[in-house]
Amino acid sequence: QKEVEQNSGPLSVPEGAIASLNCTYSDRVSQSFFWYRQYSGKSPELIMSIYSNGDKEDGRFTAQLNKASQYVSLLIRDSQPSDSATYLCAVNTGNNRKLIWGLGTSLAVNP
Amino acid sequence: SAVISQKPSRDICQRGTSLTIQCQVDSQVTMMFWYRQQPGQSLTLIATANQGSEATYESGFVIDKFPISRPNLTFSTLTVSNMSPEDSSIYLCTGLAGGPSYNEQFFGPGTRLTVL
Repeated sequence: QKEVEQNSGPLSVPEGAIASLNCTYSDRVSQSFFWYRQYSGKSPELIMSIYSNGDKEDGRFTAQLNKASQYVSLLIRDSQPSDSATYLCAVNTGNNRKLIWGLGTSLAVNP
Repeated sequence: SAVISQKPSRDICQRGTSLTIQCQVDSQVTMMFWYRQQPGQSLTLIATANQGSEATYESGFVIDKFPISRPNLTFSTLTVSNMSPEDSSIYLCTGLAGGPSYNEQFFGPGTRLTVL
């Protein structure tokens, strides 16, 4: 059974701090990794994708991938109250283009 | 990224009836998927909508209950048949664009279904 695991949280950080969200996956042949943000009552929104080992930065967001250790993380610098949401990790493991989803980590950024 | 719209945005239905949800993408996409998300839960994949052929269903979902159509590369429908309160959920469609190396899925706004 292919799995994606996330700490459900809630993760609480003060405004301006770095929020660190982690995700581990079970299938070693996983190829593509995604972070989605979901506000309450809204649909998920893609914020980062990463395909190669290392870091990928986009504004205040940095995704980190370590295939040897089978984890992917998301760092949010200078966290804002508007970053308060559930963050979903998703992994594509095969040629069928389907995603395996984590249960999400709830992030609360406190003013 | 593709822009996806869904109709209706929400509905309240009676037990035993059926509801068809429409998903429209503003550009051609290679694949479309239908998900269900129950309150406080993560996403559950219902099926892959295949253009011009029968959908591919995940374990626990069957065509008689969730018939899906995809007549072209920009449009798909999901019908929730013979509804029960357990079908109350948010139903989401996604499109997958880009070449074979990319698997980024973009979500529609969702359809919030309540079955009484």
